[in-house]
Amino acid sequence: KAGVTQTPRYLIKTRGQQVTLSCSPISGHRSVSWYQQTPGQGLQFLFEYFSETQRNKGNFPGRFSGRQFSNSRSEMNVSTLELGDSALYLCASSLGVTSGSGETQYFGPGTRLLVL
Amino acid sequence: GQQVMQIPQYQHVQEGEDFTTYCNSSTTLSNIQWYKQRPGGHPVFLIQLVKSGEVKKQKRLTFQFGEAKKNSSLHITATQTTDVGTYFCAGRIRGGGSEKLVFGKGTKLTVNP
Repeated sequence: KAGVTQTPRYLIKTRGQQVTLSCSPISGHRSVSWYQQTPGQGLQFLFEYFSETQRNKGNFPGRFSGRQFSNSRSEMNVSTLELGDSALYLCASSLGVTSGSGETQYFGPGTRLLVL
Repeated sequence: GQQVMQIPQYQHVQEGEDFTTYCNSSTTLSNIQWYKQRPGGHPVFLIQLVKSGEVKKQKRLTFQFGEAKKNSSLHITATQTTDVGTYFCAGRIRGGGSEKLVFGKGTKLTVNP
């Protein structure tokens, strides 16, 4: 099976712009979670999508949003970018059979975003 | 806010020595997961612990979940250079009708051959 794929792998934006990141989960997986990883804050949960619905949400401002399509692919959008949004954005997929079951999550390689 | 504290932040050992990283939560956890991230890589799932007092082993790795389900540890016996990386714990916390996975900040392990 192909793993989780994320595009683009690298991105440079300027403050005030918006960005959309894409994640394709492992075939058959219905749950996609997004995380932000920075040296200072570590890995922080953004949100989780299952069957096109946001199932859980972390403590990020409304500038961070996401969606999931019927084929389970997911996108994450960040509007009005700030310097502090520079980070590695990781998505992880899982079967998503039950919420919070703690199923194995498979991480993608991430999108490294640099905001100038 | 809800936090999962992980210590130590860094650990340097000689090959063959043991290594332990600890996680402590301010809130009772539904379960806890452990991940390993190699330099330049992405987190890779190692294991999940669900039951109070649970202990699981994977070859040289031993994982424990505390009786109160607020702390956990990962112990590596006789480290090897292939063990290099950052080890994260992630606790699942339920509250307010939702739940989320809260990661510790990780322990970066380096092994001197």
